Amino acid sequence: DVQMTQSPSSLSASVGDRVTLTCRASQSIGDHLNWYQQKPGKAPNLLIYAASSLQSGVPSRFSGSGSGTDFTLTISSLQPEDFATYYCQQSYFTLTRTFGGGTKVEIK
Amino acid sequence: QVHLVESGGGVVQPGTSLRLSCAASGFIFGSYGIHWVRQAPGKGLEWVALIWYDGSNKYYADSVKGRFTISRDNSKNTLYLQMNSLRTEDTAVYYCAREFRNTSGSEPSYYFDYWGQGTLVTLSS
Repeated sequence: DVQMTQSPSSLSASVGDRVTLTCRASQSIGDHLNWYQQKPGKAPNLLIYAASSLQSGVPSRFSGSGSGTDFTLTISSLQPEDFATYYCQQSYFTLTRTFGGGTKVEIK
Repeated sequence: QVHLVESGGGVVQPGTSLRLSCAASGFIFGSYGIHWVRQAPGKGLEWVALIWYDGSNKYYADSVKGRFTISRDNSKNTLYLQMNSLRTEDTAVYYCAREFRNTSGSEPSYYFDYWGQGTLVTLSS
């Protein structure tokens, strides 16, 4: 089974910072990688699909890149509402949808 | 407006059974694959199960295979998760999520575009 590993598991940053989160797949998944944001007590919300496509309604400060096994989610200028946990998810393998362990973005 | 509403959670004893439901509205339910995803307290997201749009195929995480059964009734726009032989490690918020198949690229992309609010299942003796 494919494993998804996110790093770091948590980070502290300030409003206005540029933040980069990483997700690595244990085997190649092409560009079949999605990113979700989750705030406490809420369901996850789709940010990026197919590695780099911005979901409708998501601010343009979010961007994704990568293919194969290595992917990144970048927040160009961190806003107060962006403090949350971010999950990557592979959708390459038809029979499963594996999530990464998450990266919690906290206020410095 | 797409809505997914889970129900059926509660406090149950290990070894018992529980059935969760996910009521869908605002879209053609029978045209989409639907998943169950869970999240243990303070932990990350764990994919649980998938059922195809017509119920013809079902897939499970190894952690629940043989104990959980996903099903759907397209006439009632409802998804189910029958959970048997429950264990303490099944304690979690259970979400249903709609999977969208995007064909705009060179090959289809799949992602969860709508989620329910979740229902909490607690295993306690």
